[in-house]
Amino acid sequence: NAGVTQTPKFRILKIGQSMTLQCTQDMNHNYMYWYRQDPGMGLKLIYYSVGAGITDKGEVPNGYNVSRSTTEDFPLRLELAAPSQTSVYFCASSYSLYNEQFFGPGTRLTVL
Amino acid sequence: EDQVTQSPEALRLQEGESSSLNCSYTVSGLRGLFWYRQDPGKGPEFLFTLYSAGEEKEKERLKATLTKKESFLHITAPKPEDSATYLCVHRGGYQKVTFGTGTKLQVIP
Repeated sequence: NAGVTQTPKFRILKIGQSMTLQCTQDMNHNYMYWYRQDPGMGLKLIYYSVGAGITDKGEVPNGYNVSRSTTEDFPLRLELAAPSQTSVYFCASSYSLYNEQFFGPGTRLTVL
Repeated sequence: EDQVTQSPEALRLQEGESSSLNCSYTVSGLRGLFWYRQDPGKGPEFLFTLYSAGEEKEKERLKATLTKKESFLHITAPKPEDSATYLCVHRGGYQKVTFGTGTKLQVIP
């Protein structure tokens, strides 16, 4: 099992550009999450999904969008990138709501 | 304000020198207290879940304990490979999840 995979590993964007961060899990988990991690701060939840076709906002959703068409994939879309979106983004999945989450390796995004 | 506070922020130990990391929280409605390990440039890796006060979990040189408002991660006779950042996570109701900022542990040979 590959677990949770994320692409790309690194990306540099110009202000105003858009991009999609990809996330795939092969554990057949219904629950998937997107977090951002900023220096000196705890991870913050951006969006989450409880199953295919069902998504909801987390703590810091502004500037992002998600979709969940399959159990395996949970892409995160950045529209009109801003410097404040410079961060490391982690995707995670879990078997149920209160079980441990399995994290991907992260995407380091810089917006200049 | 809901907070998870970890202390110390950084800890430097000699190999074999036991110590404890602290996680205190003001968030209500605990549905699970999680500990993760994070190595530089990688995603967090799950270590333990604690659900109720008095519960303890052990794995190799690590032991996690939970009281009503804090959790401790005890490291016994650490080795250099235990060097990492240790994250504490409070899981509340539904999608209420609060991460601490972590304790960066360095174990010197």
